[in-house]
Amino acid sequence: EVQLVESGGGLVQPGGSLRLSCAASGFTLSTYSMNWVRQAPGKGLEWVSYIRSGSNTVYYADSVKGRFTISRDNAKNSLSLQMNSLRAEDTAVYYCARANFIAASASYYFDYWGQGTLVTVST
Amino acid sequence: DIQMTQSPSSLSASVGDRVTITCRASQSITTYLNWYQQKPGEAPKLLIYTASTLQSGVPSRFSGSGSGTDFTLTISTLQPEDFATYYCQQSYSTPLTFGGGTKVEIK
Repeated sequence: EVQLVESGGGLVQPGGSLRLSCAASGFTLSTYSMNWVRQAPGKGLEWVSYIRSGSNTVYYADSVKGRFTISRDNAKNSLSLQMNSLRAEDTAVYYCARANFIAASASYYFDYWGQGTLVTVST
Repeated sequence: DIQMTQSPSSLSASVGDRVTITCRASQSITTYLNWYQQKPGEAPKLLIYTASTLQSGVPSRFSGSGSGTDFTLTISTLQPEDFATYYCQQSYSTPLTFGGGTKVEIK
């Protein structure tokens, strides 16, 4: 059974740092592209970052570029998001999501999501 | 960036109603369009991918259509467990943007 479990959220002051982790089970994380998506309280979904399968190609939303770093630990089958220079507007539930890509049918979608971890940036 | 606009932002409906939600992209995304359902306190759940393909395990009362810039999610006969917020997402290019969501409430 595929499972994604996030951890590492919490309360942090503006300007601080936090590292989120996403432990994967039931599949080999390195063979899938993985994403972070966040949701501010009472708001919609915002894609944050992506790391491509089989390579270290990464992409970031403009809102986090230069402050957040996505990475993968294949030995631990886990995904991470290092968040620096945190701002109040980064307050959100952060989800990791597995992406499934099927070239033949032009499909790219998030088929499994973790339960999310809450990050609160406040004094 | 590709902007995704959903309408309506909310709607009230009764069990048994037919519900239609629209999603419009700011440029053509061919069929790189996915639909997710989210209930309060839960993670989003994939319903439909590639505009019209039903994810395994999702009831057949859900259907999707469209290509290019205009897409539709239809719930043929609304069930009590369908009251939730629905999001479209384009996966044509980064940033992978979501629509603002449509909250389906009980009338």
